[in-house]
Amino acid sequence: EIVLTQSPATLSLSPGERATLSCRASQNLRTYLAWYQQKPGQAPRLLIYDTSNRASGIPARFSGSGSGADFTLTISSLEPEDFAVYYCQQRSLWPLTFGGGTKVEIK
Amino acid sequence: QVQLEESGGGVVQPGGSLTLSCATSGFTFRTSGMHWVRQAPGKGLEWVAFIRYDGSTEHYADSVKGRFTVSRDNSKSTVYLQVSNLRPEDTAVYFCAKDSNYSPNWFDPWGQGTLVTVSS
Repeated sequence: EIVLTQSPATLSLSPGERATLSCRASQNLRTYLAWYQQKPGQAPRLLIYDTSNRASGIPARFSGSGSGADFTLTISSLEPEDFAVYYCQQRSLWPLTFGGGTKVEIK
Repeated sequence: QVQLEESGGGVVQPGGSLTLSCATSGFTFRTSGMHWVRQAPGKGLEWVAFIRYDGSTEHYADSVKGRFTVSRDNSKSTVYLQVSNLRPEDTAVYFCAKDSNYSPNWFDPWGQGTLVTVSS
């Protein structure tokens, strides 16, 4: 099973700051990585798929990069609604797996 | 718009069984793969199961293999998850999710989830 390790576990930032979230895989994923956002009491929402493609309706301040085993989600300037938990997920091999999540909290 | 609505959760004793349902609308269900993902209270996401659009292929997480069964009824646009031989560690919100339109095995969108609590 492919293990995804997200860091940091918690990121404390202020609105307007840049957020950089990391996801490291135990094997080469090529570009088969996605990012999801989850707010308290809500279902997750797909943000980025295939490493760098924004899903429909996702603002341009969200961007994804990387390849192989190292991936990054960047939020260029945090808006109040961006404070949430973010998960990476791989589809390179079954079983599909998620990272443990990064919580972006207000500093 | 695409809608997914889970039901069937509840409190069940260890060793018990339940059938979860996910009723869908707003898209061509019979051409879409479907997934179940769960989230234990205060924890992260765990993918559970997948069923191909025609029901011909299923995949499961190792943690549920042999105890959970995914199925679908394309005439009712509904996917099911039979959960049996339940353990306390199966306590979670169970979400159904549609295979994304972008490429397979991304989850988009998700339902709101149904809570399964395994407790004596």
